[in-house]
Amino acid sequence: ETGVTQSPTHLIKTRGQQVTLRCSSQSGHNTVSWYQQALGQGPQFIFQYYREEENGRGNFPPRFSGLQFPNYSSELNVNALELDDSALYLCASSLANGGGPGELFFGEGSRLTVL
Amino acid sequence: AQSVTQPDIHITVSEGASLELRCNYSYGATPYLFWYVQSPGQGLQLLLKYFSGDTLVQGIKGFEAEFKRSQSSFNLRKPSVHWSDAAEYFCAVGAGFKTIFGAGTRLFVKA
Repeated sequence: ETGVTQSPTHLIKTRGQQVTLRCSSQSGHNTVSWYQQALGQGPQFIFQYYREEENGRGNFPPRFSGLQFPNYSSELNVNALELDDSALYLCASSLANGGGPGELFFGEGSRLTVL
Repeated sequence: AQSVTQPDIHITVSEGASLELRCNYSYGATPYLFWYVQSPGQGLQLLLKYFSGDTLVQGIKGFEAEFKRSQSSFNLRKPSVHWSDAAEYFCAVGAGFKTIFGAGTRLFVKA
């Protein structure tokens, strides 16, 4: 069983640039959620994708966008990067079964530094 | 609004001593509750979860947690801490389509 994998693991960008982060879900999972974890804080929910549609969104501006592909892999795109976007971005996959929020399986994250 | 509070930013315990990490939540309905652990540079791993039934739940690595509705708490415990338990611990509540995390408690283990 393949776990959640994310790429790249580390990257450095400058203010105003755009970034794309990628995530492969755990085998059999149909739902992907993205979280932002700033230094010393807990993960903050960005959005969730289910069957290629955005299923819910946290308190993040529209310059944070995403995609989910037919194989359930996903991308997080951030435009017009700001210094405060520097964080660990975590992808988590899960299996939606209508029974409420279930266990999240996390990747190791992509560490983004914005200079 | 839904929220999770972990009152202790960091805790230091001696190896072999018992551990209790505190968690309080705010959620209007019956909560789905979780504890996750994050080792340095790693993603989060589920330790245990509570959905319904027995309020004392057992997890991996010898951890357990007790759900107390009257206190809106879900404290994590371990009877004897090992040096490898040093990590960051996050309490979380499932709220609809999303999971809300607390700010975390960093556990230091001294020899």
